[in-house]
Amino acid sequence: KNQVEQSPQSLIILEGKNCTLQCNYTVSPFSNLRWYKQDTGRGPVSLTIMTFSENTKSNGRYTATLDADTKQSSLHITASQLSDSASYICVVSVQNNNAGNMLTFGGGTRLMVKP
Amino acid sequence: GAVVSQHPSWVICKSGTSVKIECRSLDFQATTMFWYRQFPKQSLMLMATSNEGSKATYEQGVEKDKFLINHASLTLSTLTVTSAHPEDSSFYICSARDLTSEQYFGPGTRLTVT
Repeated sequence: KNQVEQSPQSLIILEGKNCTLQCNYTVSPFSNLRWYKQDTGRGPVSLTIMTFSENTKSNGRYTATLDADTKQSSLHITASQLSDSASYICVVSVQNNNAGNMLTFGGGTRLMVKP
Repeated sequence: GAVVSQHPSWVICKSGTSVKIECRSLDFQATTMFWYRQFPKQSLMLMATSNEGSKATYEQGVEKDKFLINHASLTLSTLTVTSAHPEDSSFYICSARDLTSEQYFGPGTRLTVT
């Protein structure tokens, strides 16, 4: 069964600090992995996308890593800001040639950045 | 980048009435759109896959007669919640898939049934 698990479920950090969110998946066949940021009451917005051959990708203060062997990914946020408070969702895309790629969602990590 | 819009962004309706939510791909054609439901502090749950010009495919446990989906054009899909009840109150999000299989999410619609 395709599954994506994220940890921690929630996290509180002080403004300016760094944090790392984890994502483990059991998805096959793997197509790509995305990290999304979802503000409260809004739709998810893509932060990074990584394919099988990519180990790391950055988008400003966000850096995602991918270990395809251990099926783990992480999202590192540097110098956190109050606006980083949101849910971060790990989404793994499964190859499905007949119907197009299908998405498997993690449960998300709710991050709160406090001043 | 590709933009997906939803209308309305929020709606309050009385129990027993029907509500229609629109999902539009603004600058690309989407043969496939997806409808998700999200309850508080939970992740997105796929409700149905909508293919242009054909019947939607519903996930297990989702009532097709209650959640009517129409995908009449390559840029528009609608979700109608029929005979809404308070337990249907949720955040409904659509996504649209372009020709490269990239999915783009809409901003969501908050439905409150009183």
